[in-house]
Amino acid sequence: DAKTTQPPSMDCAEGRAANLPCNHSTISGNEYVYWYRQIHSQGPQYIIHGLKNNETNEMASLIITEDRKSSTLILPHATLRDTAVYYCIVRVVWEYGNKLVFGAGTILRVKS
Amino acid sequence: DAMVIQNPRYQVTQFGKPVTLSCSQTLNHNVMYWYQQKSSQAPKLLFHYYDKDFNNEADTPDNFQSRRPNTSFCFLDIRSPGLGDAAMYLCATSVDRVDSETQYFGPGTRLLVL
Repeated sequence: DAKTTQPPSMDCAEGRAANLPCNHSTISGNEYVYWYRQIHSQGPQYIIHGLKNNETNEMASLIITEDRKSSTLILPHATLRDTAVYYCIVRVVWEYGNKLVFGAGTILRVKS
Repeated sequence: DAMVIQNPRYQVTQFGKPVTLSCSQTLNHNVMYWYQQKSSQAPKLLFHYYDKDFNNEADTPDNFQSRRPNTSFCFLDIRSPGLGDAAMYLCATSVDRVDSETQYFGPGTRLLVL
């Protein structure tokens, strides 16, 4: 199983961009990188996913390095409501398909 | 809005007393998952249903069972809860099990075992 490594915690000033790194050096060619976040006492929320190309949606941007061994989630203008645990997940290659194996995640604290 | 609903949000049970947690979805998704999340830990997959096909994770204790009577509902049964089963239980759904499907999570049920 491809594993991910994330810093345990990060701080970000409100209104600034939050850049959350993730290492996934053992990722296979057909494995997607997913990002979810979990706000305290809520279920995880899907943010974005990608395979090779950079992706952007209304919540965030995902930058994947050319060798695919690392990626960065960018929240362009962080707000206090973005304080959460952010999980970088590489989908496990599994006979039944879509299986998410959550790692420890990064606690992002957005401060005013 | 289409969503994943879990009831109750908080459940208190006694040691050894069977308990059932419920999940319903209005998304009409084929796959439903149950995760366990203990305090300060990441969610851990217990099992999932693809339609009526049940798939158990290898390390899920026998104490945990699941039922899916129809597309919309899925239940988690804990036959004899122990103190170590106190956790948040998360239900999730996805359209299918293929590579790029995202999962949609409910708000979770927090189980307390006395």
